Amino acid sequence: GENVEQHPSTLSVQEGDSAVIKCTYSDSASNYFPWYKQELGKRPQLIIDIRSNVGEKKDQRIAVTLNKTAKHFSLHITETQPEDSAVYFCAATMVRAGKSTFGDGTTLTVKP
Amino acid sequence: EAQVTQNPRYLITVTGKKLTVTCSQNMNHEYMSWYRQDPGLGLRQIYYSMNVEVTDKGDVPEGYKVSRKEKRNFPLILESPSPNQTSLYFCASRWDSNTGELFFGEGSRLTVL
Repeated sequence: GENVEQHPSTLSVQEGDSAVIKCTYSDSASNYFPWYKQELGKRPQLIIDIRSNVGEKKDQRIAVTLNKTAKHFSLHITETQPEDSAVYFCAATMVRAGKSTFGDGTTLTVKP
Repeated sequence: EAQVTQNPRYLITVTGKKLTVTCSQNMNHEYMSWYRQDPGLGLRQIYYSMNVEVTDKGDVPEGYKVSRKEKRNFPLILESPSPNQTSLYFCASRWDSNTGELFFGEGSRLTVL
């Protein structure tokens, strides 16, 4: 089955710096790669996603890149703010097959 | 308001006492799924359903059952709970087999003593 590895497990940055979280996946059948943000005690919420036919996507301070050949994708957050502090999960999804495999999560702390 | 609703939100029970966690969505989504979240292990898929009467195993289905008799409901059944099923459970839904974004419920924290 699919295996997703996410790094780093914890990340601490100063406010205003950039943060990068990386994920690798194993199954080339995965075709949808979302990133979810989970604040303490809350449900995961989608912040950005990318499909396998796209290499990069950006939404204001957040961007995701995908390298299908190398089977890895990354989340980039620029100009970080304290409210960006949360746990971030990547996932590799085989949309039509219904399977989603999540990474173990990255705890991001943005220091004021 | 579009939402995924889980009940109960919190439950403490004892080993072997059957329980059901309900999940209901009001968005007419075809696809529903259950995940468990444990510290350091992310979200692991238990079961999913592509549509009514269609269910399939995820990565960690042992000890769980599901049913999908109606489009809006997808209950998770623990026939004989054990302490290793103590976890935070999330139900999620999405439109269909072509779309990817998952909408999560608020979570159900289950403790099995």
